[in-house]
Amino acid sequence: TQLLEQSPQFLSIQEGENLTVYCNSSSVFSSLQWYRQEPGEGPVLLVTVVTGGEVKKLKRLTFQFGDARKDSSLHITAAQPGDTGLYLCAGADDYKLSFGAGTTVTVRA
Amino acid sequence: NAGVTQTPKFQVLKTGQSMTLQCAQDMNHNSMYWYRQDPGMGLRLIYYSASEGTTDKGEVPNGYNVSRLNKREFSLRLESAAPSQTSVYFCASIRDRGLYEQYFGPGTRLTVT
Repeated sequence: TQLLEQSPQFLSIQEGENLTVYCNSSSVFSSLQWYRQEPGEGPVLLVTVVTGGEVKKLKRLTFQFGDARKDSSLHITAAQPGDTGLYLCAGADDYKLSFGAGTTVTVRA
Repeated sequence: NAGVTQTPKFQVLKTGQSMTLQCAQDMNHNSMYWYRQDPGMGLRLIYYSASEGTTDKGEVPNGYNVSRLNKREFSLRLESAAPSQTSVYFCASIRDRGLYEQYFGPGTRLTVT
């Protein structure tokens, strides 16, 4: 059983469109992270959110941490083909990370 | 800096064979981790080492053993490989204990026939 549920599992959009990926849990985490993984490579950290209600922006990516620190969302504005990849959320709890199953995002040119 | 390195990149084993996956980091991180990644299941923690000299089981430790050889190196051993262990294995280390931000290696793709 996944502690973190990500939705949707797959997302295919046209270049220039917006998208949102969700990460939900029944557990409270001390911090929540988003990673992006490209085929044949390891995940790469995008952002860490710590405070309930926190919003962080990384160029066209906006990350939000829920007030109760149980859920998070990733919004991409004007998606580009370079945003294609597997997006993973992970919750931290005492040395261990629990990962969601991931959302595969495909941005078509 | 090379970051986190893993060897080998690919491996094919027959059922019952043994092998060791190697991982090293040059970032002076204290904590290191081994995960496996299977389609639709995300990353699952096999074992971790919070500091040199300590190791602890994660979510899926059965069939695996680990050794924290020194601060830099953390190896994963399959004593008797099974087809269910076909997976992609990732090693990672933590940059910041407070935030647990992980740096991952490039992975080892293992097939057990």
